[in-house]
Amino acid sequence: DAGVTQSPTHLIKTRGQQVTLRCSPKSGHDTVSWYQQALGQGPQFIFQYYEEEERQRGNFPDRFSGHQFPNYSSELNVNALLLGDSALYLCASSPRQGAGYGYTFGSGTRLTVV
Amino acid sequence: QQQVKQSPQSLIVQKGGISIINCAYENTAFDYFPWYQQFPGKGPALLIAIRPDVSEKKEGRFTISFNKSAKQFSLHIMDSQPGDSATYFCAAEDRGSTLGRLYFGRGTQLTVWP
Repeated sequence: DAGVTQSPTHLIKTRGQQVTLRCSPKSGHDTVSWYQQALGQGPQFIFQYYEEEERQRGNFPDRFSGHQFPNYSSELNVNALLLGDSALYLCASSPRQGAGYGYTFGSGTRLTVV
Repeated sequence: QQQVKQSPQSLIVQKGGISIINCAYENTAFDYFPWYQQFPGKGPALLIAIRPDVSEKKEGRFTISFNKSAKQFSLHIMDSQPGDSATYFCAAEDRGSTLGRLYFGRGTQLTVWP
């Protein structure tokens, strides 16, 4: 049974560009959350999607947007990239909205903005 | 501000020793407290979790101690092994108003010497 799959694994973008990261949740999971993990820091919550709607949002600017598809997969879009957006972006899926129901993280996408 | 404060930032323990990592929080609405283990190049993986209605939970060599009045909780790793060398994160969730959103500590890098 595949876990959470994220693509691509690594990405290098230029400041000002736009990027799309993708996440396929674990089988049986319908809720997807995105986190940003800067080097040497804990993950920071970006937003959560359930039933194709953004249910919660962390303290991130509107440059960060997302989408969830009918098959529960999700995309994270970041516009007008800044150097400070360089981080590991983690996707977590769960069978219900609460973290206690079996939050499973993917291995992440390492984004480098130059 | 950091909702969950974690210490120490790094920890070196000899094989067979006890590793102790501490976390503190201010938001009394938090009602789910997981610990995650993260290896380089991987996403965080759930290690053990506790709810505030119990003061201790043990799973194998891993124990969470929870002090509700002090708003502190800690992870104890007994008989630490080199394979335990990883970064550990404590986290907290308020299932009432921000269900599914985890607030992470900054992490503790544990090194177990053989």
